[in-house]
Amino acid sequence: GEDVEQSLFLSVREGDSSVINCTYTDSSSTYLYWYKQEPGAGLQLLTYIFSNMDMKQDQRLTVLLNKKDKHLSLRIADTQTGDSAIYFCAESMDSSYKLIFGSGTRLLVRP
Amino acid sequence: EPEVTQTPSHQVTQMGQEVILRCVPISNHLYFYWYRQILGQKVEFLVSFYNNEISEKSEIFDDQFSVERPDGSNFTLKIRSTKLEDSAMYFCASSDPGQSSYEQYFGPGTRLTVT
Repeated sequence: GEDVEQSLFLSVREGDSSVINCTYTDSSSTYLYWYKQEPGAGLQLLTYIFSNMDMKQDQRLTVLLNKKDKHLSLRIADTQTGDSAIYFCAESMDSSYKLIFGSGTRLLVRP
Repeated sequence: EPEVTQTPSHQVTQMGQEVILRCVPISNHLYFYWYRQILGQKVEFLVSFYNNEISEKSEIFDDQFSVERPDGSNFTLKIRSTKLEDSAMYFCASSDPGQSSYEQYFGPGTRLTVT
């Protein structure tokens, strides 16, 4: 079945890199997404990667996809206090437009 | 930048009452979605809507739920007879079928509290 898992919490110091990990079970995933949720706000799409890619870079964000291990990661370079939020990975399948979300990783950036 | 909007931001209702949650998707988008997030749990898909009909729904979306696009801009979720377990944050999303990546853009959510 479809399942997406993430670690619950990550704490980093300001200026360090953050790496948020995600695993998924369905090998028919087409696109994988990263969303950011700040307190009291909605889900902001950060970036996505197509399943036939290994890596995608977008300014401070780098997405790595290991399709063999069904592992996705989001690296945030030079993490800032404004990056403190909950980060969700999500997958979509070719046969459906619905998104399957992970439980979210709460990132805390310490000054 | 265009965005999805939702009203109200917070709705309190009594068990058994009907509620309507409203969304205005991004104007050139044609796919619309509702998701919910019970406190402390994952964001869950409820329903997708395209061309004035439901294209997919989850097991959660039972006969108590309905969706409608009453005019060219609004997209609504109705819960006929609310239960305590319907308390959650409800997110509306929309996407542009012209984008092959199927990116979904989310609204800020409506917090529904059923007492």
